[in-house]
Amino acid sequence: EAQVTQNPRYLITVTGKKLTVTCSQNMNHEYMSWYRQDPGLGLRQIYYSMNVEVTDKGDVPEGYKVSRKEKRNFPLILESPSPNQTSLYFCASSLWTGGSGANVLTFGAGSRLTVL
Amino acid sequence: AQSVTQPDIHITVSEGASLELRCNYSYGATPYLFWYVQSPGQGLQLLLKYFSGDTLVQGIKGFEAEFKRSQSSFNLRKPSVHWSDAAEYFCAVGVGNAGKSTFGDGTTLTVKP
Repeated sequence: EAQVTQNPRYLITVTGKKLTVTCSQNMNHEYMSWYRQDPGLGLRQIYYSMNVEVTDKGDVPEGYKVSRKEKRNFPLILESPSPNQTSLYFCASSLWTGGSGANVLTFGAGSRLTVL
Repeated sequence: AQSVTQPDIHITVSEGASLELRCNYSYGATPYLFWYVQSPGQGLQLLLKYFSGDTLVQGIKGFEAEFKRSQSSFNLRKPSVHWSDAAEYFCAVGVGNAGKSTFGDGTTLTVKP
């Protein structure tokens, strides 16, 4: 089944304790992206990647890191989490359609992170 | 920079009634437009998309949307709402090769029996 898999789905952690949220897709998609969803704010893009070793900042990258060493994986790293990073996180991927550039996103089920 | 506005935070309709969810965008060129639906506790699922051509696009679950360039709008419609349509709906604009996508704040749909 074509899917985007995120882990963990739920996590409670403490301020300053490094954590990684993994994201993996099995569709051979070039494009991957991370979003956070907060009440009343919709989805905001954190980072995205157009292909292996190609990443760029979205609208809210502060406090996050990403890497894209393999096509299928795009982990989100919180080096020193803070309470304002408590949120619902979504990973998404899509085929990159080249010239048209339009991307239809397939989303993971989400990872709910609480930072105390 | 692009932006998306969904003016209605919450809409309540009766089952069987028609539905229209509003979406306005701001972008300097022809955008790529999407509607996604998020059921409680789930990820987002694509309902429909507009890239070019016919301005009335059909999606899954009986939804349709109309792109109106003059009004910078991409409103979502359904002629008869079902209780299972209760969810949160997001309008989004993609900006092509730039790789960035912007979502509206979402509209929560409640369906009354």
